[in-house]
Amino acid sequence: SYELTQPPSVSVSPGQTARITCSADALPKQFAYWYQQKPGQAPVMVIYKDSERPSGIPERFSGSSSGTTVTLTISGVQAEDEADYYCQSADSSGTVVFGGGTKLTVL
Amino acid sequence: QLQLQESGPGLVKPSETLSLTCTVSGGSINRDRYYWGWIRQPPGKGLEWIGNIYYSGSIYYNPSHKSRVTISVDTSRTQFSLKLSSVTAADTAVYYCARVTYDSGSFLFDYWGQGTLVTVSS
Repeated sequence: SYELTQPPSVSVSPGQTARITCSADALPKQFAYWYQQKPGQAPVMVIYKDSERPSGIPERFSGSSSGTTVTLTISGVQAEDEADYYCQSADSSGTVVFGGGTKLTVL
Repeated sequence: QLQLQESGPGLVKPSETLSLTCTVSGGSINRDRYYWGWIRQPPGKGLEWIGNIYYSGSIYYNPSHKSRVTISVDTSRTQFSLKLSSVTAADTAVYYCARVTYDSGSFLFDYWGQGTLVTVSS
């Protein structure tokens, strides 16, 4: 089955830049989306169509795409950014797929 | 402001059918471009897509669950529903409903309910 591969965890100090990657063969042909999920809460979309930021999402969140990898970048990480982050895309048949999630720890 | 709210039993016995309803408020369920979806998350694990439905009845299911899942929509009540048959402990999860926007050939989940925990146990 089609999988989106994310690192299980990323750790950064406050004010530094966090980069979370998501890799899969179909990513050059399908858009990717990123969701932030804090404990006990529903996910919130922070990036859509690889690099677009929804209204209300801070500018420190950005997305990029290169080949089979998409990257969520959080510049100037704040303590409140500590959360699980999930990428989402689709396989060649259009089946929605989520990555396994990355736990971002702010040291 | 669009809001979604899941409702249904929090405990289901093994082999029985899990039934959940999502009530949409603050917006119409009959709008073009918008599907309505179900996603679940087992305790301590990641997100898993279950399926999406359009107000006209067009449905997309995750092939992994297609044989056990039924999603339906009731536009008069601005609700859509999930039924998952023959449940086992592996179906224990927080179940989320969401508004799903179809854009440029992709689905994205832009509004979510708060989620409801369903435990499968005798």
